[in-house]
Amino acid sequence: NAGVTQTPKFRILKIGQSMTLQCTQDMNHNYMYWYRQDPGMGLKLIYYSVGAGITDKGEVPNGYNVSRSTTEDFPLRLELAAPSQTSVYFCASSPGTGGDEKLFFGSGTQLSVL
Amino acid sequence: DAKTTQPPSMDCAEGRAANLPCNHSTISGNEYVYWYRQIHSQGPQYIIHGLKNNETNEMASLIITEDRKSSTLILPHATLRDTAVYYCIVRVGRRGGGADGLTFGKGTHLIIQP
Repeated sequence: NAGVTQTPKFRILKIGQSMTLQCTQDMNHNYMYWYRQDPGMGLKLIYYSVGAGITDKGEVPNGYNVSRSTTEDFPLRLELAAPSQTSVYFCASSPGTGGDEKLFFGSGTQLSVL
Repeated sequence: DAKTTQPPSMDCAEGRAANLPCNHSTISGNEYVYWYRQIHSQGPQYIIHGLKNNETNEMASLIITEDRKSSTLILPHATLRDTAVYYCIVRVGRRGGGADGLTFGKGTHLIIQP
């Protein structure tokens, strides 16, 4: 059971570089999410999607972009990386039916911008 | 969504029941109480949720007071592997109308002592 898979697990970027964090789920979930977690803090929502072709901003979307061309994949794009984007990034999915907010999380991507 | 208050940290002896409190005095009638936990460096893991009635599953029990202003997560026989940050989240249930994720605060750091 793969669940939610994130790649890469670790990455170091230089200031101004760009990269895409990959997220894929095999549970046929409609809803997908990107969170970031700074050290000692809770999770903050970056972007979310309620289905293919539909995305919306969360609490901290600046500096990020997303796309959802398929049900399975929800990549997060960082353009012009900045030190403030150093964080652990988690992707999650949920069925999106019946009002159930049971989220399934990936194992995270630890990103450092130097 | 209603705000929650949790103690920042708690200790519990291995083999004992761990009782984690959560205050949500501004909860409204259609808001659910969710509990997640995050073991160090991993993505959060769903534990349990409820609306009014007490709930039990293979991981834990959730006790919600009659006025719904507070709840307690009970881990009946804590083990060292239960050491984690536990998040109490209050959220309106949504039926197919879009789901913009859950708000994770700082939670309670539960430390199980051998």
